[in-house]
Amino acid sequence: DGGITQSPKYLFRKEGQNVTLSCEQNLNHDAMYWYRQDPGQGLRLIYYSQIVNDFQKGDIAEGYSVSREKKESFPLTVTSAQKNPTAFYLCASRGMEPRGYTFGSGTRLTVV
Amino acid sequence: KQEVTQIPAALSVPEGENLVLNCSFTDSAIYNLQWFRQDPGKGLTSLLLIQSSQREQTSGRLNASLDKSSGRSTLYIAASQPGDSATYLCAVSTSTGGFKTIFGAGTRLFVKA
Repeated sequence: DGGITQSPKYLFRKEGQNVTLSCEQNLNHDAMYWYRQDPGQGLRLIYYSQIVNDFQKGDIAEGYSVSREKKESFPLTVTSAQKNPTAFYLCASRGMEPRGYTFGSGTRLTVV
Repeated sequence: KQEVTQIPAALSVPEGENLVLNCSFTDSAIYNLQWFRQDPGKGLTSLLLIQSSQREQTSGRLNASLDKSSGRSTLYIAASQPGDSATYLCAVSTSTGGFKTIFGAGTRLFVKA
């Protein structure tokens, strides 16, 4: 079955550490996205990529970085510059028509 | 700038009741609208997607309608069950000036047995 796999499910980060969240899809979708979800708030876009080797900042990109070296993979690095990284992170992809989104199961990041 | 609102923020109903969840948007020039379900601590599961040219979509006990002129979409759930308890989000996409999607904050539904 095609889908999106996010790992790990839970991640703990110490102060000053960089951590990388994995996102892999086998849907053959060109576009991939990273969203952040905080309690009581809607999804906020961090970064997105519409094609391999290209990505764009979303609304809250500061303190995050991404790469898109393969169509199937879109890892997100949460750097030490992100001052409030504790949140639920969701990866999504979007195909051609009808251009709907498919989401992964999420990674919960906690700063310890 | 597109804004998406979901009211109410939370809803509690007895099992078996038919219910309607609302999604309002400010810019009627949409590309499509997608309804999702999210269980606690989980990702989003797509329920229905309505294209701009469509008026409604149905899947099982779910029916989603779209009225662009009034900036509204409704998700109708028939004969609700405790397993329907979750947060329901709508996402409105536009294609003018690049493909962009705005998510509502969701309606948390609790169906009591």
